[in-house]
Amino acid sequence: DTEVTQTPKHLVMGMTNKKSLKCEQHMGHRAMYWYKQKAKKPPELMFVYSYEKLSINESVPSRFSPECPNSSLLNLHLHALQPEDSALYLCASSHSIGTVGEKLFFGSGTQLSVL
Amino acid sequence: GESVGLHLPTLSVQEGDNSIINCAYSNSASDYFIWYKQESGKGPQFIIDIRSNMDKRQGQRVTVLLNKTVKHLSLQIAATQPGDSAVYFCAENNGNNRLAFGKGNQVVVIP
Repeated sequence: DTEVTQTPKHLVMGMTNKKSLKCEQHMGHRAMYWYKQKAKKPPELMFVYSYEKLSINESVPSRFSPECPNSSLLNLHLHALQPEDSALYLCASSHSIGTVGEKLFFGSGTQLSVL
Repeated sequence: GESVGLHLPTLSVQEGDNSIINCAYSNSASDYFIWYKQESGKGPQFIIDIRSNMDKRQGQRVTVLLNKTVKHLSLQIAATQPGDSAVYFCAENNGNNRLAFGKGNQVVVIP
Protein backbone atom coordinates (compact mmCIF):
# COMPACT_ATOMS: atom_id res chain seq x y z
CA ASP A 1 0.00 0.00 0.00
CA THR A 2 1.70 3.20 -1.15
CA GLU A 3 -1.25 5.51 -0.67
CA VAL A 4 -2.00 8.46 1.50
CA THR A 5 -5.76 8.71 1.89
CA GLN A 6 -7.50 11.98 2.68
CA THR A 7 -11.12 12.59 3.61
CA PRO A 8 -13.28 14.34 2.74
CA LYS A 9 -12.33 15.20 -0.85
CA HIS A 10 -14.43 18.36 -0.74
CA LEU A 11 -15.64 20.46 2.18
CA VAL A 12 -17.73 23.59 2.35
CA MET A 13 -17.98 25.29 5.72
CA GLY A 14 -19.15 28.53 7.24
CA MET A 15 -16.92 30.79 9.28
CA THR A 16 -18.53 29.64 12.54
CA ASN A 17 -18.32 25.91 11.82
CA LYS A 18 -15.95 23.36 13.29
CA LYS A 19 -14.75 20.64 10.96
CA SER A 20 -11.88 18.17 10.71
CA LEU A 21 -9.76 16.90 7.84
CA LYS A 22 -8.44 13.37 8.08
CA CYS A 23 -5.39 11.65 6.65
CA GLU A 24 -4.28 8.04 6.83
CA GLN A 25 -1.25 6.08 5.62
CA HIS A 26 -0.22 2.46 6.12
CA MET A 27 3.32 2.61 4.77
CA GLY A 28 4.91 2.61 8.22
CA HIS A 29 6.01 6.20 7.75
CA ARG A 30 6.84 8.08 10.94
CA ALA A 31 6.69 11.62 9.54
CA MET A 32 3.45 13.24 8.44
CA TYR A 33 2.81 16.68 7.01
CA TRP A 34 0.05 19.19 6.31
CA TYR A 35 0.44 21.51 3.34
CA LYS A 36 -1.84 24.26 2.05
CA GLN A 37 -2.05 24.94 -1.68
CA LYS A 38 -3.76 27.87 -3.37
CA ALA A 39 -4.74 27.61 -7.03
CA LYS A 40 -1.75 27.77 -9.40
CA LYS A 41 0.67 28.06 -6.47
CA PRO A 42 3.10 25.58 -4.95
CA PRO A 43 2.22 23.72 -1.74
CA GLU A 44 3.15 25.60 1.44
CA LEU A 45 4.19 23.70 4.55
CA MET A 46 1.97 24.11 7.62
CA PHE A 47 2.89 21.37 10.11
CA VAL A 48 5.24 18.41 10.45
CA TYR A 49 4.80 15.52 12.86
CA SER A 50 7.67 13.19 13.62
CA TYR A 51 6.98 10.05 15.65
CA GLU A 52 3.57 11.47 16.56
CA LYS A 53 5.04 14.65 18.03
CA LEU A 54 4.67 18.09 16.48
CA SER A 55 8.07 18.95 15.06
CA ILE A 56 7.42 22.00 12.90
CA ASN A 57 4.68 24.64 13.00
CA GLU A 58 5.20 27.22 10.27
CA SER A 59 3.53 30.01 12.26
CA VAL A 60 0.10 28.75 11.32
CA PRO A 61 -2.89 30.61 12.90
CA SER A 62 -4.45 28.82 15.87
CA ARG A 63 -7.72 28.34 13.99
CA PHE A 64 -5.87 25.38 12.45
CA SER A 65 -5.16 22.67 15.03
CA PRO A 66 -3.28 19.51 14.01
CA GLU A 67 -3.48 16.21 15.81
CA CYS A 68 -1.63 12.93 15.35
CA PRO A 69 -3.56 10.22 17.25
CA ASN A 70 -1.17 7.46 16.13
CA SER A 71 1.54 6.78 13.57
CA SER A 72 -0.98 6.14 10.77
CA LEU A 73 -3.39 9.00 11.31
CA LEU A 74 -3.17 12.77 11.02
CA ASN A 75 -6.03 15.19 11.57
CA LEU A 76 -6.44 18.90 11.00
CA HIS A 77 -9.13 20.53 13.10
CA LEU A 78 -10.64 23.70 11.70
CA HIS A 79 -12.49 26.37 13.65
CA ALA A 80 -13.54 29.93 12.86
CA LEU A 81 -11.88 29.93 9.45
CA GLN A 82 -11.81 32.89 7.09
CA PRO A 83 -12.71 32.91 3.39
CA GLU A 84 -9.02 33.38 2.54
CA ASP A 85 -8.38 29.96 4.11
CA SER A 86 -10.14 28.37 1.14
CA ALA A 87 -7.54 26.15 -0.53
CA LEU A 88 -6.49 22.58 -1.24
CA TYR A 89 -5.17 20.98 1.95
CA LEU A 90 -2.65 18.24 1.28
CA CYS A 91 -1.41 15.57 3.63
CA ALA A 92 1.91 13.86 3.02
CA SER A 93 4.07 11.26 4.70
CA SER A 94 7.69 10.10 4.60
CA HIS A 95 9.80 7.47 6.35
CA SER A 96 11.20 10.06 8.72
CA ILE A 97 12.55 13.59 8.73
CA GLY A 98 16.07 14.88 8.83
CA THR A 99 17.55 12.36 6.41
CA VAL A 100 18.75 13.30 2.95
CA GLY A 101 16.66 11.61 0.34
CA GLU A 102 13.31 11.62 2.09
CA LYS A 103 10.56 11.37 -0.48
CA LEU A 104 7.20 12.79 0.47
CA PHE A 105 4.12 10.87 -0.64
CA PHE A 106 1.04 13.04 -1.01
CA GLY A 107 -2.65 12.39 -0.74
CA SER A 108 -5.13 13.84 -3.23
CA GLY A 109 -6.10 16.61 -0.85
CA THR A 110 -9.25 18.13 0.57
CA GLN A 111 -10.61 21.07 -1.42
CA LEU A 112 -11.90 23.44 1.25
CA SER A 113 -14.27 26.34 0.63
CA VAL A 114 -15.01 28.74 3.48
CA LEU A 115 -18.14 30.84 3.00
CA GLY B 1 6.13 27.89 -26.67
CA GLU B 2 6.36 29.44 -23.21
CA SER B 3 4.30 32.19 -21.63
CA VAL B 4 4.80 33.85 -18.28
CA GLY B 5 2.42 36.26 -16.66
CA LEU B 6 -0.40 36.07 -14.17
CA HIS B 7 -0.69 32.39 -14.90
CA LEU B 8 1.77 29.58 -14.48
CA PRO B 9 4.61 29.45 -17.00
CA THR B 10 3.27 27.14 -19.67
CA LEU B 11 5.10 24.82 -22.02
CA SER B 12 3.08 23.63 -25.00
CA VAL B 13 4.57 20.57 -26.66
CA GLN B 14 3.51 18.32 -29.52
CA GLU B 15 2.78 14.73 -28.61
CA GLY B 16 5.88 12.64 -29.25
CA ASP B 17 8.31 15.55 -28.86
CA ASN B 18 10.67 15.93 -25.91
CA SER B 19 9.89 18.39 -23.10
CA ILE B 20 12.33 20.31 -20.96
CA ILE B 21 11.18 22.00 -17.77
CA ASN B 22 13.57 24.27 -15.91
CA CYS B 23 13.85 25.28 -12.29
CA ALA B 24 16.17 27.66 -10.47
CA TYR B 25 16.77 27.04 -6.79
CA SER B 26 18.02 29.51 -4.27
CA ASN B 27 19.85 27.66 -1.49
CA SER B 28 23.36 26.51 -2.33
CA ALA B 29 23.23 24.27 0.78
CA SER B 30 20.33 22.21 -0.61
CA ASP B 31 21.44 18.62 -0.96
CA TYR B 32 18.42 16.82 -2.38
CA PHE B 33 15.98 17.69 -5.13
CA ILE B 34 12.72 16.18 -6.30
CA TRP B 35 10.44 16.67 -9.28
CA TYR B 36 6.71 16.28 -8.67
CA LYS B 37 3.86 16.08 -11.18
CA GLN B 38 0.45 17.40 -10.19
CA GLU B 39 -2.60 16.66 -12.30
CA SER B 40 -5.81 18.59 -11.89
CA GLY B 41 -7.68 17.56 -8.73
CA LYS B 42 -4.82 15.40 -7.43
CA GLY B 43 -1.94 15.72 -5.05
CA PRO B 44 1.70 15.99 -6.20
CA GLN B 45 3.09 12.71 -7.48
CA PHE B 46 6.79 11.83 -7.15
CA ILE B 47 8.57 11.56 -10.53
CA ILE B 48 12.30 11.48 -9.91
CA ASP B 49 14.87 12.73 -7.43
CA ILE B 50 18.57 13.55 -7.40
CA ARG B 51 21.16 14.15 -4.69
CA SER B 52 23.65 16.97 -4.83
CA ASN B 53 26.58 14.60 -5.40
CA MET B 54 25.15 13.73 -8.82
CA ASP B 55 24.58 15.82 -11.93
CA LYS B 56 22.29 13.50 -13.88
CA ARG B 57 19.79 10.79 -13.11
CA GLN B 58 17.56 8.86 -15.48
CA GLY B 59 14.22 7.21 -14.94
CA GLN B 60 11.63 5.82 -17.25
CA ARG B 61 11.26 8.48 -20.01
CA VAL B 62 12.49 11.16 -17.60
CA THR B 63 15.93 12.60 -16.89
CA VAL B 64 16.84 15.13 -14.22
CA LEU B 65 19.91 17.32 -14.63
CA LEU B 66 21.49 19.28 -11.80
CA ASN B 67 23.90 22.17 -12.30
CA LYS B 68 25.09 23.26 -8.87
CA THR B 69 27.31 25.99 -10.26
CA VAL B 70 24.33 28.02 -11.43
CA LYS B 71 21.79 26.41 -9.07
CA HIS B 72 19.68 25.06 -11.88
CA LEU B 73 17.60 21.91 -12.17
CA SER B 74 15.86 20.57 -15.25
CA LEU B 75 13.46 17.76 -16.05
CA GLN B 76 13.49 16.21 -19.49
CA ILE B 77 10.53 14.11 -20.61
CA ALA B 78 11.11 11.96 -23.68
CA ALA B 79 8.36 11.28 -26.22
CA THR B 80 5.80 13.39 -24.37
CA GLN B 81 2.35 11.82 -24.10
CA PRO B 82 -1.10 13.35 -23.40
CA GLY B 83 -0.94 11.87 -19.89
CA ASP B 84 2.09 14.06 -19.20
CA SER B 85 -0.12 17.18 -19.22
CA ALA B 86 0.12 18.52 -15.68
CA VAL B 87 1.84 21.07 -13.48
CA TYR B 88 5.42 20.16 -12.62
CA PHE B 89 7.08 21.36 -9.42
CA CYS B 90 10.70 21.13 -8.46
CA ALA B 91 11.41 20.90 -4.73
CA GLU B 92 14.61 21.25 -2.74
CA ASN B 93 15.54 19.92 0.67
CA ASN B 94 17.23 22.94 2.17
CA GLY B 95 18.57 21.13 5.20
CA ASN B 96 15.96 22.33 7.68
CA ASN B 97 13.69 19.27 7.40
CA ARG B 98 11.67 21.31 4.97
CA LEU B 99 10.97 20.61 1.34
CA ALA B 100 10.66 23.96 -0.47
CA PHE B 101 8.67 23.92 -3.70
CA GLY B 102 9.39 26.01 -6.77
CA LYS B 103 6.69 28.00 -8.55
CA GLY B 104 5.55 25.29 -10.94
CA ASN B 105 5.38 24.90 -14.71
CA GLN B 106 2.27 23.91 -16.67
CA VAL B 107 2.88 21.39 -19.47
CA VAL B 108 0.22 21.13 -22.16
CA VAL B 109 0.57 18.28 -24.63
CA ILE B 110 -0.97 18.91 -28.04
CA PRO B 111 -2.23 15.69 -29.67
